[in-house]
Amino acid sequence: GQQLNQSPQSMFIQEGEDVSMNCTSSSIFNTWLWYKQDPGEGPVLLIALYKAGELTSNGRLTAQFGITRKDSFLNISASIPSDVGIYFCAGNLNTGTASKLTFGTGTRLQVTL
Amino acid sequence: GAVVSQHPSRVICKSGTSVKIECRSLDFQATTMFWYRQFPKQSLMLMATSNEGSKATYEQGVEKDKFLINHASLTLSTLTVTSAHPEDSSFYICSAAPGQETQYFGPGTRLLVL
Repeated sequence: GQQLNQSPQSMFIQEGEDVSMNCTSSSIFNTWLWYKQDPGEGPVLLIALYKAGELTSNGRLTAQFGITRKDSFLNISASIPSDVGIYFCAGNLNTGTASKLTFGTGTRLQVTL
Repeated sequence: GAVVSQHPSRVICKSGTSVKIECRSLDFQATTMFWYRQFPKQSLMLMATSNEGSKATYEQGVEKDKFLINHASLTLSTLTVTSAHPEDSSFYICSAAPGQETQYFGPGTRLLVL
């Protein structure tokens, strides 16, 4: 099926550094979601974006819904070891309904002390 | 809020047997639930969309007779892997949508078919 392109694919950073990752699509999405998945667990919702241009924060996390509705980025400030995991973006074509998500390819984050 | 559970968390079965996986939304009603499959180091791939009281909608390439889905109530959907084979070994994850754009995921079920 269709997937969104995420970059970088993986990254190693030192504790305390800021992290930035993005997600791009050739199609327009009306909702963008960012999830984090730990090994052997299901994805956990981090941030949901509903409007083009929207900038939303959740603690040290900040995400923006691109103005073209074809991209989104996620920033993590002052990374800590528990930020390790795989981050997935996901797009939803429809608003107000429970329609299926298209997932990104994932960004694997590893934090070193 | 928005807690989704799955049972069992892991299961080992013999080839040819059937396995049932339950997905429950614990603190909200979900008219729609989704079933995903994830292989190691890969993204989530949608298998089917489950709507309460109606037949599931399967993605292209997913055998509906092999992966039986039942969404009998607003808080429970089940996935049954029938006549399981080793290639069905995977991580199966469900999600539930409380009627909006956001989906909340269960913790996943790891299936190993010997």
